[in-house]
Amino acid sequence: AQKVTQAQTEISVVEKEDVTLDCVYETRDTTYYLFWYKQPPSGELVFLIRRNSFDEQNEISGRYSWNFQKSTSSFNFTITASQVVDSAVYFCALSEVSTGTASKLTFGTGTRLQVTL
Amino acid sequence: DARVTQTPRHKVTEMGQEVTMRCQPILGHNTVFWYRQTMMQGLELLAYFRNRAPLDDSGMPKDRFSAEMPDATLATLKIQPSEPRDSAVYFCASGFLQGAASYNEQFFGPGTRLTVL
Repeated sequence: AQKVTQAQTEISVVEKEDVTLDCVYETRDTTYYLFWYKQPPSGELVFLIRRNSFDEQNEISGRYSWNFQKSTSSFNFTITASQVVDSAVYFCALSEVSTGTASKLTFGTGTRLQVTL
Repeated sequence: DARVTQTPRHKVTEMGQEVTMRCQPILGHNTVFWYRQTMMQGLELLAYFRNRAPLDDSGMPKDRFSAEMPDATLATLKIQPSEPRDSAVYFCASGFLQGAASYNEQFFGPGTRLTVL
């Protein structure tokens, strides 16, 4: 069965610090997708990134970067030079393909990031 | 700017009452998902539809919950009778998915915060 673990429940940093959010996943599937979503205080879930299991290249988008390592089943998310607007709950999610359920997302429990001045 | 819309945004009701939540997916999307978010269980997939047909509702308590998609622009989630343990935020998401082996991101609505007294 698929499972996503976000061991960090809450992280507090001071603005401009770098912060890494950890995500470890479990799956028996060889083809799967990994995602990160952001949930700001307004409550809406905002899509950040999708990565498929065959693409282990790290990705950078502005201050955001993602490190995917199949060897350790991890898909970590780093925010560089954090800002107060980054304060939110961040969810990592997994979707398996071979079971024919590529649509189904399994979410981790989320990491609450608090960025203060 | 296309968005998923959900109504109502907030609902307070008494135990035993019927609750209907509505979702308008993004025009052109062929897949609609219903999720429930609670502090204890996190984000759980309740059900999803593709091309208006229910594909999976295994996450939904069958005795009191029902999900339908009467047309391509409306999805509904109904609880009858409601119970205090149903108190949660219910999210609708939509996406355009082609087959089990391809995947695009899901776009989430703002959620309906349900409180059952």
